Amino acid sequence: QITLKESGPTLVKPTQTLTLTCTFSGFSLSTSGVGVGWIRQPPGKALEWLALIYWNDDKRYSPSLKSRLTITKDTSKNQVVLTMTNMDPVDTATYYCAHSGVDGVPGRYWGQGTLVTVSS
Amino acid sequence: VIWMTQSPSLLSASTGDRVTISCRMSQGISSYLAWYQQKPGKAPELLIYAASTLQSGVPSRFSGSGSGTDFTLTISCLQSEDFATYYCQQYYSFPRTFGQGTKVEIK
Repeated sequence: QITLKESGPTLVKPTQTLTLTCTFSGFSLSTSGVGVGWIRQPPGKALEWLALIYWNDDKRYSPSLKSRLTITKDTSKNQVVLTMTNMDPVDTATYYCAHSGVDGVPGRYWGQGTLVTVSS
Repeated sequence: VIWMTQSPSLLSASTGDRVTISCRMSQGISSYLAWYQQKPGKAPELLIYAASTLQSGVPSRFSGSGSGTDFTLTISCLQSEDFATYYCQQYYSFPRTFGQGTKVEIK
């Protein structure tokens, strides 16, 4: 059974750096073809893809946010960490992590999401 | 970047109706398309992948079709639990873009 869960601060101030952790179980990020991605959703708006890291440490980013994002993995802890610098109120959103399977399907399993509010 | 046009953005329908949602790509993506259902306050759930393959456990009233640039999600007989927002996502190339969503509401 595959599960993912996001954790991190619920409130950050403008200009601060956000660090979110995705802790997962039921699969290994050392398995060839497997990845974990991050997606966000501002309140009442559409889903936005942010980043993905693969088992071989290949990393992909949204071009519009690439300069602010860093994705890393800790295979031994079954965790993927996303950092986003220079947070702004427009970054207020629910942040999700999702499993990407060996067949390439990007969202067969999702975490429950965590709402991050950016406000002073 | 592959841009996606999902339509309509809002669909009013009644229980028992057949509904169709469209997703058009700015360039061909073969069949690398997924459809998700999202209910308020919940994470999206995968309905269909590879454009037309039903995810395990998803009712057969959901179906997907298309390849290349034009894709369709069809719900053959709308049930009360199907009132939700639906998204398409391409996984042919990075970034893995999503459509803007279609909210299916009760007429």
